[in-house]
Amino acid sequence: DSGVTQTPKHLITATGQRVTLRCSPRSGDLSVYWYQQSLDQGLQFLIQYYNGEERAKGNILERFSAQQFPDLHSELNLSSLELGDSALYFCASSVGGPRGEQFFGPGTRLTVL
Amino acid sequence: LAKTTQPISMDSYEGQEVNITCSHNNIATNDYITWYQQFPSQGPRFIIQGYKTKVTNEVASLFIPADRKSSTLSLPRVSLSDTAVYYCLVVIMNNNAGNMLTFGGGTRLMVKP
Repeated sequence: DSGVTQTPKHLITATGQRVTLRCSPRSGDLSVYWYQQSLDQGLQFLIQYYNGEERAKGNILERFSAQQFPDLHSELNLSSLELGDSALYFCASSVGGPRGEQFFGPGTRLTVL
Repeated sequence: LAKTTQPISMDSYEGQEVNITCSHNNIATNDYITWYQQFPSQGPRFIIQGYKTKVTNEVASLFIPADRKSSTLSLPRVSLSDTAVYYCLVVIMNNNAGNMLTFGGGTRLMVKP
């Protein structure tokens, strides 16, 4: 158990819909990262927040947005969903910035039908 | 941006040493290299991190040559439980443009009895 929690574990929805994925970092970690992993694919970095501020942006679509709240939990919002958005979405956290060890959550499996 | 490439798969036998190389030929002087291990349907787990020369911990070694255009993860005496996908991660520290995290495509290691 990494100490990072993600909810929900599974999510099934339809094309065109909007969903919110939630992540609670390890106690004391200030950075939160979001990654997308499509079936049998590698990890794609989406975005990083540090203490509420966006610090790094990867291949995140304009239909996707994220934020980190004052209690340091984070949400990833996915809108106008397409079939290709079906994937495992991982959240990770670290004490400081991305040079340090990241602790990954168990992931949310999103299925878009 | 540093593009990271790894072999897609490798086979080994129990008790052997396994070396997995990651190429990152555009790496900059401030960039770190990190390796993660991922089992099916789980989040990745940190293995080791380095900046230059050699780093060793209780589970692996990381070799980074002077030009830093590649790095090699070395797993001594692998066991069946080391069967997993191994990812290298290059963290690009850029105060002006924001940090960037680039994962390699992953190397699927199969350890056979």
